[in-house]
Amino acid sequence: DTGVSQNPRHKITKRGQNVTFRCDPISEHNRLYWYRQTLGQGPEFLTYFQNEAQLEKSRLLSDRFSAERPKGSFSTLEIQRTEQGDSAMYLCASSPADRASGELFFGEGSRLTVL
Amino acid sequence: AQKVTQAQTEISVVEKEDVTLDCVYETRDTTYYLFWYKQPPSGELVFLIRRNSFDEQNEISGRYSWNFQKSTSSFNFTITASQVVDSAVYFCALRGGTDKLIFGTGTRLQVFP
Repeated sequence: DTGVSQNPRHKITKRGQNVTFRCDPISEHNRLYWYRQTLGQGPEFLTYFQNEAQLEKSRLLSDRFSAERPKGSFSTLEIQRTEQGDSAMYLCASSPADRASGELFFGEGSRLTVL
Repeated sequence: AQKVTQAQTEISVVEKEDVTLDCVYETRDTTYYLFWYKQPPSGELVFLIRRNSFDEQNEISGRYSWNFQKSTSSFNFTITASQVVDSAVYFCALRGGTDKLIFGTGTRLQVFP
């Protein structure tokens, strides 16, 4: 399977706990994006990387959120001290950097439920 | 600011009907790209079509066609002879001067047999 891989697919946690999601992009893609999608809404941009450099962060990404891509391959998105409002689908996407017009290739998402 | 508006929240059709999904966008960029994505119940966003701002020629690809009009900032998407498998949420998206996609709120399409 050469698509974007995300895990876990579903995470249920209690308020106040920390959670971490992992994304493995398509291997030759050097751009990696994180989006959040709540019920009935479109995906909202959170942050993106080119190789290991985090180039942009949305205002949606509060101090409790941190994303890393240490070796320019896989990425992790950590949410500390989760709140019920963090419940959402977290989507990862990747694309080649040399295709400014190119589409993003999305994974199946990681669904977070905060109780 | 960039914005994508999909006014249709939900559309229901009977199989074999044609259906058009509306999309209106806002951007100050002169160079931009418009996309349609499909999100089936499995959750994965699937790329369907792309159009750049330089080319307003409308095209047909299989059962899909699109109507891009810069004068009205619209990028509508039509499925001809709809099928039950077309049931999904469809998102219009815009990519301008920044490297991220801005999505609309989506239109849920239900195709009944």
